[in-house]
Amino acid sequence: QVKLLQSGAALVKPGASVKMSCKASGYTFTDYWVSWVKQSHGKSLEWIGEIYPNSGATNFNEKFKGKATLTVDKSTSTAYMELSRLTSEDSAIYYCTRYGTTVATFDYWGQGVMVTVSS
Amino acid sequence: DIQMTQSPASLSASLGETVTIECLASEDIYSNLAWYQQKPGKSPQLLIYYANSLNDGVPSRFSGSGSGTQYSLKINSLQSEDVSIYFCQQNYDSPWTFGGGTKLELK
Repeated sequence: QVKLLQSGAALVKPGASVKMSCKASGYTFTDYWVSWVKQSHGKSLEWIGEIYPNSGATNFNEKFKGKATLTVDKSTSTAYMELSRLTSEDSAIYYCTRYGTTVATFDYWGQGVMVTVSS
Repeated sequence: DIQMTQSPASLSASLGETVTIECLASEDIYSNLAWYQQKPGKSPQLLIYYANSLNDGVPSRFSGSGSGTQYSLKINSLQSEDVSIYFCQQNYDSPWTFGGGTKLELK
């Protein structure tokens, strides 16, 4: 079965960076786009960007360009997102998701990573 | 960016009742609309795709409809396990955008 297992919660200081992981299993990792989604204040969802593991191609929401960096390690079927120059506005839960080609949307989600930015 | 406006923001209903959640896109999204359910403390789960197609394993009391800019999610015979936040999302044009969510509670 398809699973996306994300890394644990992070407490980081303002101005620092954080890198989180999303390990995929149960499907061919290189065949599907992986997206990252931010959930702030327990409700609203924002799409950050996506990466195609086979080629490393990326697309970003303009709002997150310069904030998020997406990479993959094909050998371990793991996607990564690094957020830089963190502020309190970056405190949120971050999800990785798989873009399913049959359903043309996000069909599987990781469990989420809570990032808290605080001094 | 395409704006997605959901209504209502919150909803209280009784067991067995039928509820409807609306989603309005700022432009025609040609049925490229999905609905997600997010239970407390969990990640969102796909319910409906292409506006009216039920995802595998989703109970048949859930249904989606709409076209153009107006879409809706209907839940027949509300069950206790349906208490969740529901989101619509367009996948017609990047950046993919979500509605603000509808919090469904039991009366």
